[in-house]
Amino acid sequence: DGGITQSPKYLFRKEGQNVTLSCEQNLNHDAMYWYRQDPGQGLRLIYYSQIVNDFQKGDIAEGYSVSREKKESFPLTVTSAQKNPTAFYLCASSFGLAGGWGYDEQYFGPGTRLTVT
Amino acid sequence: RKEVEQDPGPFNVPEGATVAFNCTYSNSASQSFFWYRQDCRKEPKLLMSVYSSGNEDGRFTAQLNRASQYISLLIRDSKLSDSATYLCVVNTGASYTGTASKLTFGTGTRLQVTL
Repeated sequence: DGGITQSPKYLFRKEGQNVTLSCEQNLNHDAMYWYRQDPGQGLRLIYYSQIVNDFQKGDIAEGYSVSREKKESFPLTVTSAQKNPTAFYLCASSFGLAGGWGYDEQYFGPGTRLTVT
Repeated sequence: RKEVEQDPGPFNVPEGATVAFNCTYSNSASQSFFWYRQDCRKEPKLLMSVYSSGNEDGRFTAQLNRASQYISLLIRDSKLSDSATYLCVVNTGASYTGTASKLTFGTGTRLQVTL
């Protein structure tokens, strides 16, 4: 059964701690993305990766880091430098260039709700 | 002006009604457009893709007006299960040169269908 998985569903951390959110896909998609969603706001792009071993900053990359060592996996680390880390984090994937960037449909994982106190 | 603007609603409609959502976008170079549905505290799910003037899938019809930079979503014969937030999404960064697509999301329009 193809899809995108994110774990854990809920995560609680103390301020000052780094935390890593997992994202795995078995859709054979080249491109992967991380977004955050805050109440009353649209999704905002944190980082994206077009291909293994390559990734680019999105609109709100400060305080976050990523890696893309395998096609299937794109973990996101929320560092202590992120000022407002409490949010709903969503991972997405798409065929990317293989599907034609102009017609790129992104599919989302179930998300991780991070609460930092 | 926001890149993607939607009426936040909520739209409260009775079952069986027809409801239309509007969305405007600011980047005239945008190439493709999407409607996603998001249930409370869940991930967005792709509802429709719009690449030309419009698209229809059962009770759902999306229309695109590039000249006015306007997209709409029409839902006919509303069901209780249609209650959700509908996100208008614009692909602002895609090109045929191989640069990554960049989706810009509206804040969503909330629909509540009642008996």
